[in-house]
Amino acid sequence: QVRLVQSGDEVRKPGASVQISCKTSGYTFTRHAIHWVFQAPGQRLEWMGAINTASGEPKFSQRFQGRVTISRDTSATTVYMGLSNLTPDDRGLYFCARDMDYIDIAYDFYKMDVWGGGTSVAVSS
Amino acid sequence: QSPPTQPASVSGSPGQSITISCTGTARDIGSYNLVSWYRQVSGRAPQLIIYEGNQRPFGVSSRFSASKSGNTAVLTISGLLTEDEGDYYCCAFGSDTSLTFGEGTKLTVL
Repeated sequence: QVRLVQSGDEVRKPGASVQISCKTSGYTFTRHAIHWVFQAPGQRLEWMGAINTASGEPKFSQRFQGRVTISRDTSATTVYMGLSNLTPDDRGLYFCARDMDYIDIAYDFYKMDVWGGGTSVAVSS
Repeated sequence: QSPPTQPASVSGSPGQSITISCTGTARDIGSYNLVSWYRQVSGRAPQLIIYEGNQRPFGVSSRFSASKSGNTAVLTISGLLTEDEGDYYCCAFGSDTSLTFGEGTKLTVL
């Protein structure tokens, strides 16, 4: 079945960077985009960005632009999200999620049908 | 981009119907029929329950439906069950091709 398995929880100091991986299986990796979503404790979900896994082209939310990178390794069927210059406001859960449509017929990427379990990031000095 | 506005909480009794509104702008909900709805329980991974206005993924109950008028989308849950409890988020596609989740609504089934 389709699975998205994320890397383990992380602890970082302010100003540091973090990279989270999202290992996919159970489907053709390059046929579906992957999104990243952030959730601070007790707060709403926030879309960070997405990557076209076929072309490798990412796009980002304005809120995270300049600090976030999203890349993929097609041979490993894995997507990576990096976030730099961490502050305590970056503490929370980070989810990866598969876009529902096939990339080659999608109007754009806007519906997330399978989600990873989430990775907790703590930022503390 | 400001998040779409949702009521902080709604409640209902088993068997009743409830609605959750999601009000955006002319640059997102008003321009595209691409609103999705998600349910999240206890901080776990969200679940897609509605996409493209009123489409349900395979396996999602027909008790869930949605509509849109102008800049506002509405999720309706009929025949409430206790298992429907959770946090519900709308997600709007915007003219800059970004996505914005709503503020979230906590559903309590009394």
